Amino acid sequence: ETGVTQTPRHLVMGMTNKKSLKCEQHLGHNAMYWYKQSAKKPLELMFVYNFKEQTENNSVPSRFSPECPNSSHLFLHLHTLQPEDSALYLCASSQGLGAGGTQYFGPGTRLTVT
Amino acid sequence: AQKITQTQPGMFVQEKEAVTLDCTYDTSDQSYGLFWYKQPSSGEMIFLIYQGSYDEQNATEGRYSLNFQKARKSANLVISASQLGDSAMYFCAMRPNYGGSQGNLIFGKGTKLSVKP
Repeated sequence: ETGVTQTPRHLVMGMTNKKSLKCEQHLGHNAMYWYKQSAKKPLELMFVYNFKEQTENNSVPSRFSPECPNSSHLFLHLHTLQPEDSALYLCASSQGLGAGGTQYFGPGTRLTVT
Repeated sequence: AQKITQTQPGMFVQEKEAVTLDCTYDTSDQSYGLFWYKQPSSGEMIFLIYQGSYDEQNATEGRYSLNFQKARKSANLVISASQLGDSAMYFCAMRPNYGGSQGNLIFGKGTKLSVKP
């Protein structure tokens, strides 16, 4: 049973659409993350939030816009995406940003951009 | 540069046997954490085991153990008594301490484990 949920699980969108991915954690953590997992590539960290403040933007294009209204919720707003943005998007949370802060992941949203 | 290397793209193991998945890492940090995750075909990344760089004993969690050799910078995962449900992708990851790099989790490319009945 996961303490991190993500919706939707699958999403197909056109390049001109606007959609949002939602992540919620029920673990009482204060840090949340977005990762992108493309085929044949290692997981790529996109954004990090700690106590609702963004602490990391890993050179992500502006067509991806994160939002963290509180420590339990994280959104990824999508607009004008490209086909190469098709991937599995994983959300994670942890208690703090230190070396021992285990990140727990949600089930992911599989995004297809047509 | 901080990096995780998993040299085995795919591995096969017979059910009930043990298997070792290799992981080497590169970092100049003194304090860091090492993690293994399992990713079934459903996509969820499942945390398996953690080893701190200052931990003197190898971590164990049920059938999982981490063979930590600090001088060699290796953190191999050992799965004992393999089960069919162990078939999945396995990722090794490293997390430097916050002071260095915002707590990023750096992943290897993964090893696909297939358990044969």
